[in-house]
Amino acid sequence: GDSVTQMEGPVTLSEEAFLTINCTYTATGYPSLFWYVQYPGEGLQLLLKATKADDKGSNKGFEATYRKETTSFHLEKGSVQVSDSAVYFCAQNAGGTSYGKLTFGQGTILTVHP
Amino acid sequence: GAVVSQHPSWVICKSGTSVKIECRSLDFQATTMFWYRQFPKQSLMLMATSNEGSKATYEQGVEKDKFLINHASLTLSTLTVTSAHPEDSSFYICSAPDSGGVSTDTQYFGPGTRLTVL
Repeated sequence: GDSVTQMEGPVTLSEEAFLTINCTYTATGYPSLFWYVQYPGEGLQLLLKATKADDKGSNKGFEATYRKETTSFHLEKGSVQVSDSAVYFCAQNAGGTSYGKLTFGQGTILTVHP
Repeated sequence: GAVVSQHPSWVICKSGTSVKIECRSLDFQATTMFWYRQFPKQSLMLMATSNEGSKATYEQGVEKDKFLINHASLTLSTLTVTSAHPEDSSFYICSAPDSGGVSTDTQYFGPGTRLTVL
């Protein structure tokens, strides 16, 4: 079945460091891919998304490119800030009769120190 | 942006009692809402799809008689955990899409409800 696998955390970085969180997926069709972020005490928020192969989603300095050949959607940021500390979830939506249903990765806790 | 609220944010109940959790879309209408369950330090697992005007559809392994879902209006879905037991303790999260329901829709998530069953 459809699944999403994220790199295990937690990830601890110093401010201004480069961030990569790996995400790979398995799907029978052509899913849309998402990164959601959950700040402490808050609900999940959409960070970025990509709907087809080679699309790049970007927001707040974060980027991820939909790579169909490697079934990946890795999240990157060139210079993290303390305020980026949160839990990051990769997710896919298979569409079709499964529209709206998101399959999530296990989440990666990111802590950024000053 | 669109806002989804949940009430209560935290509830503690005795084993055997029932608990109702509300999910509301505050500034948009949602014919479909989704209910997820999140265990500590784990991912979100989809429980069911709440459909306005029709029965909810449950994911495999989710007991429909245990987790009753009612989509009362275009802005409200409720999840009732019936005869709750300690193993039902979890973080319950709802979401709603921002438009008609194609795969590229952005989902808006509620802040979640922490249920603790004693």
